[in-house]
Amino acid sequence: NAGVTQTPKFRILKIGQSMTLQCTQDMNHNYMYWYRQDPGMGLKLIYYSVGAGITDKGEVPNGYNVSRSTTEDFPLRLELAAPSQTSVYFCASSYSSGGFGETQYFGPGTRLLVL
Amino acid sequence: LAKTTQPISMDSYEGQEVNITCSHNNIATNDYITWYQQFPSQGPRFIIQGYKTKVTNEVASLFIPADRKSSTLSLPRVSLSDTAVYYCLVGDDTDMRFGAGTRLTVKP
Repeated sequence: NAGVTQTPKFRILKIGQSMTLQCTQDMNHNYMYWYRQDPGMGLKLIYYSVGAGITDKGEVPNGYNVSRSTTEDFPLRLELAAPSQTSVYFCASSYSSGGFGETQYFGPGTRLLVL
Repeated sequence: LAKTTQPISMDSYEGQEVNITCSHNNIATNDYITWYQQFPSQGPRFIIQGYKTKVTNEVASLFIPADRKSSTLSLPRVSLSDTAVYYCLVGDDTDMRFGAGTRLTVKP
């Protein structure tokens, strides 16, 4: 198993540009998540999905969009990039059968710099 | 959502036992307590999870008192490679909040 993979590893965007951060998991997990982590801070939840076709907002969703057309993929879309979106983005997945606090498996992260 | 409070940083020496305490006074009945470890430039990695009493696995122990308003992560005989940030999370599958974490530095 590759686990959770993310592409690209690093990207520089100009203000106003758009891009999609890719996330794929091969563990057949039903839950997937996107977090951002600013320097010296903890992770903040952007969006999550409990299954294909179902997504919901997390703590900091503004400026982002997601879709979940398959179990494996959960891309994060940035529209009109702003310097405040400079951060490290982590994708994670977990398997939930309706329990609580299931273990999340994280990808290696995408470092985004908006100039 | 239960807020967590942890020490910002801790120092230890190789071979010592390290205990990191997390306060979560407003923990809900359905909430689990989960600890993650994060190394620089990597995503967090699951360490241990519990609901009440004591949980032990191959890398750590988690102590949770009866009122569940706090929890303590215990790392036995730490090594230099245990230098990392440790996060205490309280919540369920769709509402887990990472705080700033505890930066543990293990010295030789």
